[in-house]
Amino acid sequence: DTAVSQTPKYLVTQMGNDKSIKCEQNLGHDTMYWYKQDSKKFLKIMFSYNNKELIINETVPNRFSPKSPDKAHLNLHINSLELGDSAVYFCASSQRDRGNYGYTFGSGTRLTVV
Amino acid sequence: QQQVKQSPQSLIVQKGGIPIINCAYENTAFDYFPWYQQFPGKGPALLIAIRPDVSEKKEGRFTISFNKSAKQFSLHIMDSQPGDSATYFCAASMGVYSGAGSYQLTFGKGTKLSVIP
Repeated sequence: DTAVSQTPKYLVTQMGNDKSIKCEQNLGHDTMYWYKQDSKKFLKIMFSYNNKELIINETVPNRFSPKSPDKAHLNLHINSLELGDSAVYFCASSQRDRGNYGYTFGSGTRLTVV
Repeated sequence: QQQVKQSPQSLIVQKGGIPIINCAYENTAFDYFPWYQQFPGKGPALLIAIRPDVSEKKEGRFTISFNKSAKQFSLHIMDSQPGDSATYFCAASMGVYSGAGSYQLTFGKGTKLSVIP
């Protein structure tokens, strides 16, 4: 009964490929996020999304795009992968009106571009 | 521009010691200050959080001290144990208690804590 699940856990791919990472949450939260954690462990917001708005961090290349088929899913599509995209990507969710404002994170997807 | 500065980068303490991790922020609009704990291979997990109108909050062995005038907050871990060895992140967000929709957490760069038996 994992709260926020991401697949795959590991992804190794060649430069130039297109890949997707899936994220699902079973918490009933209305907002989902994607964060990138680099090799120095720095966590940086990429996107936040609920059914009303998509907020994109201005530093995220347009090769990255979130897609939400429904409220419980927020997938990350990456086109034309580059070496610098290698990182751990975390999905998270939150619900503002439940009194607990913290995010719930998934376990991460380690992406390696070779 | 890093909006939340965290120190130290790494910290080694003996079992039973009280590690202290400090964070400073610049944006006075921040109204929510959580701390996250991350073990290797896992996602960050919420430990404890505080609002700027509170000077201290304690949950179990974890305490946040908050100094609004100095724009600083810190995490204290009482009676630290080897199982507390992890990376700790402070974070901040704005508009958490008002409005609607998403609120984005800005994280510090993390502190790797090692508790020696």
